[in-house]
Amino acid sequence: DSGVTQTPKHLITATGQRVTLRCSPRSGDLSVYWYQQSLDQGLQFLIQYYNGEERAKGNILERFSAQQFPDLHSELNLSSLELGDSALYFCASSGTETGELFFGEGSRLTVL
Amino acid sequence: GESVGLHLPTLSVQEGDNSIINCAYSNSASDYFIWYKQESGKGPQFIIDIRSNMDKRQGQRVTVLLNKTVKHLSLQIAATQPGDSAVYFCAEREAAGNKLTFGGGTRVLVKP
Repeated sequence: DSGVTQTPKHLITATGQRVTLRCSPRSGDLSVYWYQQSLDQGLQFLIQYYNGEERAKGNILERFSAQQFPDLHSELNLSSLELGDSALYFCASSGTETGELFFGEGSRLTVL
Repeated sequence: GESVGLHLPTLSVQEGDNSIINCAYSNSASDYFIWYKQESGKGPQFIIDIRSNMDKRQGQRVTVLLNKTVKHLSLQIAATQPGDSAVYFCAEREAAGNKLTFGGGTRVLVKP
């Protein structure tokens, strides 16, 4: 158990819909990362927050947004969902901005 | 642009033998490298890391080798066990950056 909690574990929705994925980092960790894992693309970095502020941005679509709240949990919002958004979405946390990442179990999103 | 790639997508190993997983990277600005293990249905789990000022680092049954001249990283697993069956990812990070860039992954299958 990495100490990173993600909910929901599974989510099935339809195209055009909007979903929110939630992540609680390890106790005390200030940095949160979001990754997308598709079958054909491996782990793709989406975005990183540190203590509530956006720190780095990767290949995150404009339809996607994220934030980190004062209690350090983070949410990833996915809107206008398309079939290609079906993937595993992982959250990871670290104690510092550049420290070792601890991954959650992921949220599996299926868009029908 | 930066990229991390793997030479072998699938590696079959006899139980008890040693495994070697290879990874090539192209970003000469990367100074930190990590190997992750991902078991089915779980998030990536940290195995071992190495900084660019080292060429070898050993852990419990695992060794990471870094050859900066040819931008090559490898993970050696000694006496491979059934529990080692998983997908292994290498990841790199730039000295001035925060995000980890992951390779495509190598699946290791341990045969009894």
